[in-house]
Amino acid sequence: AQKITQTQPGMFVQEKEAVTLDCTYDTSDPSYGLFWYKQPSSGEMIFLIYQGSYDQQNATEGRYSLNFQKARKSANLVISASQLGDSAMYFCAMREGGSNYQLIWGAGTKLIIKP
Amino acid sequence: NAGVTQTPKFRILKIGQSMTLQCTQDMNHNYMYWYRQDPGMGLKLIYYSVGAGITDKGEVPNGYNVSRSTTEDFPLRLELAAPSQTSVYFCASSYLRNTDTQYFGPGTRLTVL
Repeated sequence: AQKITQTQPGMFVQEKEAVTLDCTYDTSDPSYGLFWYKQPSSGEMIFLIYQGSYDQQNATEGRYSLNFQKARKSANLVISASQLGDSAMYFCAMREGGSNYQLIWGAGTKLIIKP
Repeated sequence: NAGVTQTPKFRILKIGQSMTLQCTQDMNHNYMYWYRQDPGMGLKLIYYSVGAGITDKGEVPNGYNVSRSTTEDFPLRLELAAPSQTSVYFCASSYLRNTDTQYFGPGTRLTVL
């Protein structure tokens, strides 16, 4: 079974609109962390935001916020006021507390911002 | 700080050849990782290291070897390259285990023909 599912292979969004990228996860470990990374066309992986399973509040980093719904096992990334430079692949990843340090990755969502 | 650096950026190998992908980090991170990313896919862990002299297998270790003689360096060795090893290889590092962020190098694009 997929541990990380990103159901949107691609999205087109108008510049300045907010974007929500979906991520659902599957784990029985009570301690886990969820990460979002951005991969622009240049290929590097850029860390965006982290949410721990015990964190009481949703994580925020500038224009990025994580809509963490633990009961639904979802960790959606919200980008406010999208910019052309937000066009990239976005990956959701999870580390389980008892794991061998491994990040488990989703297949990614390709986001294209239209001017 | 340079962060995580990888060399080379691109490489073409013939089937059966060997090579070493270099990875260096200057953040004094204990943990280092090697991932591969196949087209249209997320990353898969090849090997990781929790400190100098300590390495362990990840999800897809076959065909690869690693060593970690210093905190800074974590080279990945490909022996007897196969077309299935055509991929983009990322090295990453992190300081602490649980809440830490993994910082990635720019990647090496490897093609095996």
